[in-house]
Amino acid sequence: QVQLVQSGAEVKKPGASVKVSCKASGYTFTAYFMHWVRQAPGQGLEWMGRVNPNSGATDFAQRFQGRVTMTTNTSIGTAYMELNTLTSDDTAVYYCAGVLWGSFDFWGQGTLITVSS
Amino acid sequence: EIVMTQSPATLSVSPGDTATLSCRASQSVSSALAWYQQKPGQAPRLLIYGASTRATGIPARFSGSGSGADFTLTISSLQSEDFAVYYCQQYHDWPPWAFGQGTKVEIK
Repeated sequence: QVQLVQSGAEVKKPGASVKVSCKASGYTFTAYFMHWVRQAPGQGLEWMGRVNPNSGATDFAQRFQGRVTMTTNTSIGTAYMELNTLTSDDTAVYYCAGVLWGSFDFWGQGTLITVSS
Repeated sequence: EIVMTQSPATLSVSPGDTATLSCRASQSVSSALAWYQQKPGQAPRLLIYGASTRATGIPARFSGSGSGADFTLTISSLQSEDFAVYYCQQYHDWPPWAFGQGTKVEIK
């Protein structure tokens, strides 16, 4: 079955960086764009960006431009999202999601990133 | 940039009743509209895409309708497992892929 398994929860200090991984299985990794969505505590879903596993091309939400990197390693079917210069506002659950035509067809389990001094 | 607005923010419904959730786009998104269900502590799950097509394994009591800028998610004969937060999302004009702020369906 299709599965996205994300790395575990992390606690970071303000100003630090975090890199979250998302390992795919059960489908052809390069067939789906990988998107990243975050959800702050008690809040809604916020789209961050996407990466094309075939080309490495990316699109980011404007508010994350210059602060986020999204990459893939097709040899191991894994996507990565790195967010720099963390603040307390970045405390959230981060999800990866596979997208073929536009809807988010399947999701990882989420990774809680807590930013605290 | 397209903005998605959901209403109401909270919907109180009795088990067995029908819930009707609304989603409005700030401009036409044609039928490029999806609905998701999210339960506490879980990732969202795709329910509906193309405004009205149920995703694999989604029960028939979930139905989507609408096109252009106004959409509805109807949940018939609400079951206990249906109490959750529901999000709409447009994919007509991107980036960004925009989500609504969510509607919480709670037990009345």
